[in-house]
Formats: sequence, C-alpha cells, structure tokens
Amino acid sequence: NAGVTQTPKFQVLKTGQSMTLQCAQDMNHNSMYWYRQDPGMGLRLIYYSASEGTTDKGEVPNGYNVSRLNKREFSLRLESAAPSQTSVYFCASSEALALDTDTQYFGPGTRLTVL
Amino acid sequence: QKEVEQNSGPLSVPEGAIASLNCTYSDRVSQSFFWYRQYSGKSPELIMSIYSNGDKEDGRFTAQLNKASQYVSLLIRDSQPSDSATYLCAVTGGYNKLIFGAGTRLAVHP
Repeated sequence: NAGVTQTPKFQVLKTGQSMTLQCAQDMNHNSMYWYRQDPGMGLRLIYYSASEGTTDKGEVPNGYNVSRLNKREFSLRLESAAPSQTSVYFCASSEALALDTDTQYFGPGTRLTVL
Repeated sequence: QKEVEQNSGPLSVPEGAIASLNCTYSDRVSQSFFWYRQYSGKSPELIMSIYSNGDKEDGRFTAQLNKASQYVSLLIRDSQPSDSATYLCAVTGGYNKLIFGAGTRLAVHP
C-alpha cells in the first residue's frame, strides 16, 4: 500500500497563476483533509471531506477550492495564486468510522512557492 | 477561537534522559488527543493517541492527559538522537477535525 500520495512534490508559481494539487489514498478511508503548514504556525485545516460527495471549509479556506473526485481522490485548487499561499501543503486521510476523530495519515507534502 | 499551545523550544536533552513535552488546549469539549512526530522536511506521523484521563504507555513513550486542567503531555524515556524532531500536539476540534499546536522542537544530543 502506498498510503497517501501527493503530486507534485515541489511547485513554483507566479502570482495569478492557477494550479491543482492532487491527493490520493489507497486505504479505503472515508475522510480526507487538506492542511497548510507555515513556519511557527503548525498545521492549519484548509478544507476537508468527511465522506465521498461532501466538502466543508476548515480554518483557512479563502483562495482555495476542493473537489472530492471519488473516495480515493481529493484535489486542492488555487485559482489565482498569491505570495501568501507560499507554504507546505499536506493531504491526510482517516477512516472516520467512529463518532469521534480517529487517526489521520499524512501524505509527503507539496512545497509551493508563489513569486 | 479554539487553541492548542505548545512551547516552541528547542528542548535540548542529553541522550538517555527523559524528554517532557507539554501541551495545553482551550476547548473543554475536546475528547481525543494525539501526538505526532515530524522530522525536518517530512510529513507528520502519529506516535500516540489518548482519550481518557491518566497515563498511556507505548514503549519509550508515555502520554498523560488531565482534562480538568486541559493539559496533555508526552514523556520520552531513554531519549535517543533519532528522537530529535518536532512534536505536534493535536486535539479534536469538532467531528473529524483536528486542531494542531505549532509544535515543540526536541534536540537530543549525544
């Protein structure tokens, strides 16, 4: 099992460009998440998908959109990149069968720089 | 605003010593608590979860939870240089959502 995979690993964009970050999991997990990690600020939730067909905003959704393509795949789109979106982006997934939060498994991350 | 607070460190301990990492949280209704380890340039990986007051031990790691004080800690016994990493505390912030602290950087020196 590959677990959670993300593409690309690195990306440099110019201000105003758009791009989509891809995430896939092969653990048959119900829930998937997108986080960004900035120095000194920990992981902040951008969007999440509790189950196939649903998406919800997290703590910092502005400037992003998401698509839960199927149970395996959850993409994050930047429509018009800004320097403030320079960050490391992590995708995660969890089985989420219980009423409470269970273990989240993280992908390797995408390092995005917006010039 | 729900918050999770950690001392950023670095916490420096000698090899073989006990490292004590602390975390406080603001939301009294949080039910699940997690410690993730993150090596530089890598993704977070779960090392401990705890749901009930008291201690939970797993090998060299012990998680301690005190819900009345809204405090969770991680003890690492017999610290090794390979334990040098950033440790992230996370608590539930609603159904299926986690709130992360900024992390404590641990440095174990030989």
